[in-house]
Amino acid sequence: DIQMTQSPSSLSASVGDRVTITCRASQDIRNDLGWYQQKPGKAPKRLIYAASSLQTGVPSRFSGSGSGTEFTLTISSLQPEDFATYYCLQHDSYPWTFGQGTKVEIK
Amino acid sequence: QVQLVQSGAEVKKPGASVKVSCKTSGYTFTSYYIHWVRQAPGQGLEWMGIINPSGGSTTYAQSFQGRVTITRDTSTSTVFMELSSLRSEDTAVYHCARATVGFDIWGQGTMVTVSS
Repeated sequence: DIQMTQSPSSLSASVGDRVTITCRASQDIRNDLGWYQQKPGKAPKRLIYAASSLQTGVPSRFSGSGSGTEFTLTISSLQPEDFATYYCLQHDSYPWTFGQGTKVEIK
Repeated sequence: QVQLVQSGAEVKKPGASVKVSCKTSGYTFTSYYIHWVRQAPGQGLEWMGIINPSGGSTTYAQSFQGRVTITRDTSTSTVFMELSSLRSEDTAVYHCARATVGFDIWGQGTMVTVSS
């Protein structure tokens, strides 16, 4: 199975801050990675697909980069509605696997 | 619009089985695989398995092999996930999700509580 190591597990940030979350895959997954945002009691919402493509309707302050084994989600200027938990997902091979999640909290 | 609507919350005793439904609408049912993902309280997301609605073929996570069965009914565009031999650790929210380069649409989730 492909292991996805996500870091940090949590972070505290202020509105307007630049935030970076990283996922590392245990083997090459090309660009078969997506980023998801989840708020309490809600289903996850896709932000980024194919490592760097912005989901329709998602604000442009979200961006993704990387390929192979190293991937990054960046929020360029954190907004109040961005406080949530973020997950990466590899869909290169079964079983699909998620990172452990990053909880973004208000400083 | 594209929707995945799941059945309601369930409470089951240890050793029982639960069957959760995921009714799809707004697109051609047989054109997209459907996956199941679960999330235990306060925990992360765990992939369970997948069905190809066109032919009915399935793939399951090793950790659920022998306990999970995913089926579909093409006449109602509905996918089902049945989990047997329930234990307290199976208490979780169960989501169905449509696959297009990862998951683009998710069901609202179904809470399954396993308690004696």
